[in-house]
Amino acid sequence: KNQVEQSPQSLIILEGKNCTLQCNYTVSPFSNLRWYKQDTGRGPVSLTIMTFSENTKSNGRYTATLDADTKQSSLHITASQLSDSASYICVVTCDSNYQLIWGAGTKLIIKP
Amino acid sequence: GAGVSQTPSNKVTEKGKYVELRCDPISGHTALYWYRQSLGQGPEFLIYFQGTGAADDSGLPNDRFFAVRPEGSVSTLKIQRTERGDSAVYLCASSLKGTGEETQYFGPGTRLLVL
Repeated sequence: KNQVEQSPQSLIILEGKNCTLQCNYTVSPFSNLRWYKQDTGRGPVSLTIMTFSENTKSNGRYTATLDADTKQSSLHITASQLSDSASYICVVTCDSNYQLIWGAGTKLIIKP
Repeated sequence: GAGVSQTPSNKVTEKGKYVELRCDPISGHTALYWYRQSLGQGPEFLIYFQGTGAADDSGLPNDRFFAVRPEGSVSTLKIQRTERGDSAVYLCASSLKGTGEETQYFGPGTRLLVL
């Protein structure tokens, strides 16, 4: 069964600190993996996208990694800001169709 | 338009009533998706349109749910005989062609509460 699991479920850190969010997937065949940021009350916004051959992708203070062998991805946030408080969702696209397999997300809270 | 818009932003209805949720995709995007998101969960796929036709409606939970996109642009998600379990945020997304490599752009969602 195609699944995406994320950890931790929630995380609280102080402003300025770094953090890493994890994503494990069992999606086959694999097409690509995205990280989305979803602010409260808003729709998800794409942060990064990685295909099978890419193992890292950066977008400002966000850096995503992908290990296609172990089927794991991480999202590292550097020098966190209050505006980083949101849910971060890992999404894997199945290569046989357009469908996205969504994780449940990690709720990140940045405290001043 | 500049982005995906959805109306209404909030909808409160009573059990058993009929509701319609509207989505205006980004102009020129042929692919349109509806998702449902419960609190603390990722979006759950409902239906995907390519142009005017529903290319995949396998995510619709039952026959009370129906969606149309008659002119290949605006889409309406229709829910008959609403139940309390239908309460969720209904998200709409669009993409240019609907391939797996494309980014889907999401609207702000419609928050549906069934009392």
